[in-house]
Amino acid sequence: DTEVTQTPKHLVMGMTNKKSLKCEQHMGHRAMYWYKQKAKKPPELMFVYSYEKLSINESVPSRFSPECPNSSLLNLHLHALQPEDSALYLCASSQDLVGAGLSSDTQYFGPGTRLTVL
Amino acid sequence: LAKTTQPISMDSYEGQEVNITCSHNNIATNDYITWYQQFPSQGPRFIIQGYKTKVTNEVASLFIPADRKSSTLSLPRVSLSDTAVYYCLVGVRRRTDKLIFGTGTRLQVFP
Repeated sequence: DTEVTQTPKHLVMGMTNKKSLKCEQHMGHRAMYWYKQKAKKPPELMFVYSYEKLSINESVPSRFSPECPNSSLLNLHLHALQPEDSALYLCASSQDLVGAGLSSDTQYFGPGTRLTVL
Repeated sequence: LAKTTQPISMDSYEGQEVNITCSHNNIATNDYITWYQQFPSQGPRFIIQGYKTKVTNEVASLFIPADRKSSTLSLPRVSLSDTAVYYCLVGVRRRTDKLIFGTGTRLQVFP
């Protein structure tokens, strides 16, 4: 199983709503990532988890709150978002933390959640 | 300082070979070069990875010169389904450099 799954596929929310994005992998990977991608732009790194601990936060606003309940799951909790936060949110995983020099650094990406904030 | 430089876009026709070059002058000594493909509204997909010389798999070939300051992704006999954005990622100085996507190359294949 080399698949990363993300739910929901699409999400529409108001600026006062609270919602969560979910990501799951069963490849035994020890690192997981959240990226944000705007239309016609490259993915931008948001958060990195390694062994279920937050390793990197790329100065993301606090209205985005990541959570890693176990080694297979990664959540992104959303609260009080702005319309400019509308984007494709991508989850990825890798065997070890990219750059740690322990493995090939290949990331496996999920299909993404298309988020629209009204 | 840009970590990688790729052409913004390329056009090709079905059946042709496409070569996309990525410049990475400051690549770290021990780091690999990784290429991803992304279709609209989908996550990037790993294509190929290499350290030096040539690597080939069922999808593409990767050519890396001895100085490793650039790499060329070669797609043999492209089809319409190869229309996508192609990204190369390398490590430069910081560990997280390998997580930073550049602008990528938008390949359009015509019939």
